Amino acid sequence: ETGVTQTPRHLVMGMTNKKSLKCEQHLGHNAMYWYKQSAKKPLELMFVYNFKEQTENNSVPSRFSPECPNSSHLFLHLHTLQPEDSALYLCASSQDTRAGSEAFFGQGTRLTVV
Amino acid sequence: GENVEQHPSTLSVQEGDSAVIKCTYSDSASNYFPWYKQELGKRPQLIIDIRSNVGEKKDQRIAVTLNKTAKHFSLHITETQPEDSAVYFCAASRDQAGTALIFGKGTTLSVSS
Repeated sequence: ETGVTQTPRHLVMGMTNKKSLKCEQHLGHNAMYWYKQSAKKPLELMFVYNFKEQTENNSVPSRFSPECPNSSHLFLHLHTLQPEDSALYLCASSQDTRAGSEAFFGQGTRLTVV
Repeated sequence: GENVEQHPSTLSVQEGDSAVIKCTYSDSASNYFPWYKQELGKRPQLIIDIRSNVGEKKDQRIAVTLNKTAKHFSLHITETQPEDSAVYFCAASRDQAGTALIFGKGTTLSVSS
């Protein structure tokens, strides 16, 4: 167990639904990340939070909305998604965003948009 | 921004053979290059990393080499075993607040016995 926990593990939602993905880490890390893993673009960076501040939004559509209430928790709010958004969403954390800071991944949420 | 290219996308070897995966990066300011292994249905996990002040690093059957001038780095696995079968990702990042690892597209390694 790496200490990064994601819930739910699987999620099926309609295009008009609103849902949220949750990530929690108890490693004392200050940086958290959302990555999207799909067959077409594996491990695509979405968002970066460093000390609860969003430092990077990698041109992600507004139907994905991140939230980082504290250094231990990260959410990804989803609304009006498209079928092409179906993918594995991986959360990761690291001590900080400095180079050389190992990223620890959660097991991911397998999202299917119908 | 950084762009990481990884080749090949798939690699099949016989048990005991060596496997080599190559990556190139675009941002000359990148100075940290980790490799992650993702087994089927599991999360990516760090297996080895290298920093820009080092040209080569080895850990048992795994080694990584870095050529900063050419902006490429490689993963070498010797004496491959079936349990080495997985998807391997290279990544690059630079020492700047607020940045993150940028990954290559992955290489699916299959080791047959």
